[in-house]
Order: sequence, then C-alpha cells, then structure tokens
Amino acid sequence: GENVEQHPSTLSVQEGDSAVIKCTYSDSASNYFPWYKQELGKRPQLIIDIRSNVGEKKDQRIAVTLNKTAKHFSLHITETQPEDSAVYFCAAIGGTGKLIFGQGTTLQVKP
Amino acid sequence: EADIYQTPRYLVIGTGKKITLECSQTMGHDKMYWYQQDPGMELHLIHYSYGVNSTEKGDLSSESTVSRIRTEHFPLTLESARPSHTSQYLCASSPVGNEQFFGPGTRLTVL
Repeated sequence: GENVEQHPSTLSVQEGDSAVIKCTYSDSASNYFPWYKQELGKRPQLIIDIRSNVGEKKDQRIAVTLNKTAKHFSLHITETQPEDSAVYFCAAIGGTGKLIFGQGTTLQVKP
Repeated sequence: EADIYQTPRYLVIGTGKKITLECSQTMGHDKMYWYQQDPGMELHLIHYSYGVNSTEKGDLSSESTVSRIRTEHFPLTLESARPSHTSQYLCASSPVGNEQFFGPGTRLTVL
C-alpha cells in the first residue's frame, strides 16, 4: 500500500548548524511532496513543497530535494535558529489522491 | 478572511456521551479531511470527503461518522465517547492543487 517513511524521528542540533530530514515513498506515481511544520500546540503549516517535475526548490533557509528514481526527498534547513524547533512532517500524494504523511521528526535547536 | 474553523477548541466529557466536532471552511475547497493526532505524534487520517454527499473512511479505524451535506461543512460525530478517544482532532481542506490547510484543532478529553 501507499507508505511514507521519515527519518530521523528526533534531531537535535546547535543553533547555526544545518538540519536534514529524509523521507522515502512507495508509490511511484506520486507527484506532489509538501513539508509541514507544527509548533507546540499549533496546527501544521505548509513551509515548502515540490512537484515531480523539479529536482530542487529553495526558499531562504529551507530547501527540498527530490530524487524520483530513488523515491526519496529531503528537507534541508541551514543556519538553524531556536524558532525552527518544531515537529516536521513530510508527505506525498498517493494514487488515491490522498496525502500520505510521514511519522514526523521532532527538531530541537539548542541556543 | 478565508480560513478553517473548528469548534469547540477544547472539550471534556464523560464516557458514553454523544458528541459532534464541527469543522467549517470558507476557502471554497472541495476536499476535506479529519485527522486524529496525539501531541507531536503522527497524523492519522480517519475520514475524508471529495465533495458534497461523498465520504470515505481513512486509514485509522474509527468509531466516528461524518457527513458532507454542504461544501463548507464537515462535522465529525462520536456516538458513544470512550477514554480511548482522548486525542486532538484536526480538520483540513484542500483545493485541486493538493496543498492541505489545517484548522486549529479540537482537544478532546473523555473521562
């Protein structure tokens, strides 16, 4: 069935370092890959997304890369700040049109 | 302002009670979803709808039911609440472009 695996489940970095979160998906027909950030007690919010016709997309300190052959995509956060601390979810659109979410990564940025 | 609204935001009830969690969106989206999420954990899809009079069960077995009589309204009903239903319930909607927008959530506690 449709599946998205996300790693690591927790990630702790020093302020200013980079953070990378990786996801793999099972449905080769998937063509849309969003990333959501959920701060404590808040709703998930879209921070960046990528479609299958693009290999990389960047927005200031965050970037997403997609490797369709290997069926994996990654979120890169550079120059991390304490306000980047949150739970991050990757997702992929499945064959049924539903978004399939990864298990989430708790990112802690230490000052 | 176009948004997704959920009421109540917090609810504490006794076992066996019937409850309805309300979700409304003013974004004009056809697709709507209900997720169950324990704090900081995975998002579990419990119901979704692709339009009026269309509802489907999600991946997580749930004792709840939904209805979609109007495009903007997607209520979730628990006929008999149990302590195992204690969780956060997130409503979401999406346009054809697949990005999902989440509501603020309802925190349910069943005593």
